[in-house]
Amino acid sequence: ILNVEQSPQSLHVQEGDSTNFTCSFPSSNFYALHWYRWETAKSPEALFVMTLNGDEKKKGRISATLNTKEGYSYLYIKGSQPEDSATYLCAFTNFGNEKLTFGTGTRLTIIP
Amino acid sequence: GAVVSQHPSRVICKSGTSVKIECRSLDFQATTMFWYRQFPKQSLMLMATSNEGSKATYEQGVEKDKFLINHASLTLSTLTVTSAHPEDSSFYICSATLDGNTEAFFGQGTRLTVV
Repeated sequence: ILNVEQSPQSLHVQEGDSTNFTCSFPSSNFYALHWYRWETAKSPEALFVMTLNGDEKKKGRISATLNTKEGYSYLYIKGSQPEDSATYLCAFTNFGNEKLTFGTGTRLTIIP
Repeated sequence: GAVVSQHPSRVICKSGTSVKIECRSLDFQATTMFWYRQFPKQSLMLMATSNEGSKATYEQGVEKDKFLINHASLTLSTLTVTSAHPEDSSFYICSATLDGNTEAFFGQGTRLTVV
């Protein structure tokens, strides 16, 4: 059974502060780790897809790291803005399998 | 980016009736689409993999006769909840990928309420 854990479940951050949260996943037979941002009343939107151990990706103020050997990924948001408020989902796929297994997400609320 | 459109966004139906949810890839051909279900405060749970021109592959515990999936073209997959009951009330969402393990593109989701 594949199990993806995300922590914390929810988070309130003051506007302008930086924050990060965690995704842990089974490290065996790993292929790819995905991060999605899901705003209320919208479709989940892909942020990053990472495959290599040690990968670091960045998109504006958001970045992510990947450790496939120990099975975790961090998502960082620098200088939080109100528009960053959303649920952040991670998901992973096994080698040779297209199916995504999702965590329960981290709900981020930015306080103006 | 690629666009996936899901319809309807909300539906309320009577117990015993059937409901069809459509998932369309608007600007690309999707040989594979995925259907998920989400219960409150839980993760997106894969129900089935929809394959164009062949039978869907259902996850363990998902009744194929209850949740009929049809993927008749490269741009359309449908999920029909047959003989719906209140316990089928949930959030259903579809996704498609351009290929193997690239990012997934999601529909807007459908909130189903069975009364």
